[in-house]
Order: sequence, then structure tokens, then C-alpha cells
Amino acid sequence: EPEVTQTPSHQVTQMGQEVILRCVPISNHLYFYWYRQILGQKVEFLVSFYNNEISEKSEIFDDQFSVERPDGSNFTLKIRSTKLEDSAMYFCASRDRINYGYTFGSGTRLTVV
Amino acid sequence: RKEVEQDPGPFNVPEGATVAFNCTYSNSASQSFFWYRQDCRKEPKLLMSVYSSGNEDGRFTAQLNRASQYISLLIRDSKLSDSATYLCVVREDFGNEKLTFGTGTRLTIIP
Repeated sequence: EPEVTQTPSHQVTQMGQEVILRCVPISNHLYFYWYRQILGQKVEFLVSFYNNEISEKSEIFDDQFSVERPDGSNFTLKIRSTKLEDSAMYFCASRDRINYGYTFGSGTRLTVV
Repeated sequence: RKEVEQDPGPFNVPEGATVAFNCTYSNSASQSFFWYRQDCRKEPKLLMSVYSSGNEDGRFTAQLNRASQYISLLIRDSKLSDSATYLCVVREDFGNEKLTFGTGTRLTIIP
């Protein structure tokens, strides 16, 4: 079964540092997403990406965040200057044009110290 | 008001029992509805979509009441492997692609 792959599985970074979280969506999927889940809280939408541009973003997705699809396979989330409150599990997801079902990656646990 | 509201539980039920979860959503324009399950520290995985006519997948039955903005999930003959957090998820279509998650209901099946 096709998978969404995320790397690294766990990243520890110092407050103020930049981090890049990487995702390889399913190859024929067209829509890409980042969600996050702070420990003990609900899964929250960050951003959706289609046709090489952001199609929607949440209030959480401020100027510190950016996304990029630098080539045909990778989809990255960059946090420019991490804060303690950015500590969370970050999930990448993708879906194809027809099927509304999303496939989530296994997540990157980001710990900001 | 929370967009998608669920009883957080925990629900502790014996193996073989029937358990039901409920969920309400606030946006009447919502068009697509799902139940996901999430194991501890893992990604959400789609359990089933929810249709107005109700739908069944093996031991799982989902119902949607648009008038009441209410979604339910019934698990019959529960197994130990059903222990997880069950997430009620809503999607507003017509260009709004994001999924809105409830906080989840934690279920533990007791042997």
C-alpha cells in the first residue's frame, strides 16, 4: 500500500533555530497538507498546497512557517525561528483528485528546548 | 463553541461489548464526515466515511444526522485491538479542503 513518508521521525532543536520537516507524498497525489498535534490536544490544520501554491492556511501558519515542493517528490515545512510552543507532532498528508480520503504520514515529533 | 465536539472519555469496556461514540459539529455547511482512529503517538488512520444513509463496515456502523449535526459510531463485538482514540472529523467541501478534527474519544477494551 502506498505510503506518505516523513523524516526525521524525531527532531530536537534549540529555541530560535530553523527546522525543516520533510515529507514524500504518494506519487500520484495532487493535494498536500501539514497538520500538527500538540501532546494531549487535537489534530490541527496548518496548510494545504495544490498546483505549487498554498491553497489555504490557518491562523497558526504565520510568517515563521513556509512550505515548499522543491522537486517532484518532496514537500517540506520550514519553521524559521522555533518557539517552545512549536513542540508538537507534525503530520504530512496527501490525497488524489478524486478520493477524498487522506493518507497521513507517521509524523515528525518536534521538540523545542 | 468547539467546531467538532466529542466526549473525551475514557471509555473502558469489556471485550465483546458494544460501544457507541457521539460527535456534534457546529458548521451546518459541512459536507463530508469521517471517523479516524489514532493509536498512541501514531498518525490518524481513516476508519470509515460517514454517509447520510448510514453505513456499515463489518463490526462498525456510522450514522449521520444532518438536521441535528450529529455523527455516531457503533462498534459491535469489540476486540482488544479496537483500543485506540477515535477521532470525529469534518470537511467542508466546495473549495475548503481542510479536515477539522475533534479532540477524540479514548477507548480501552478490557480482556
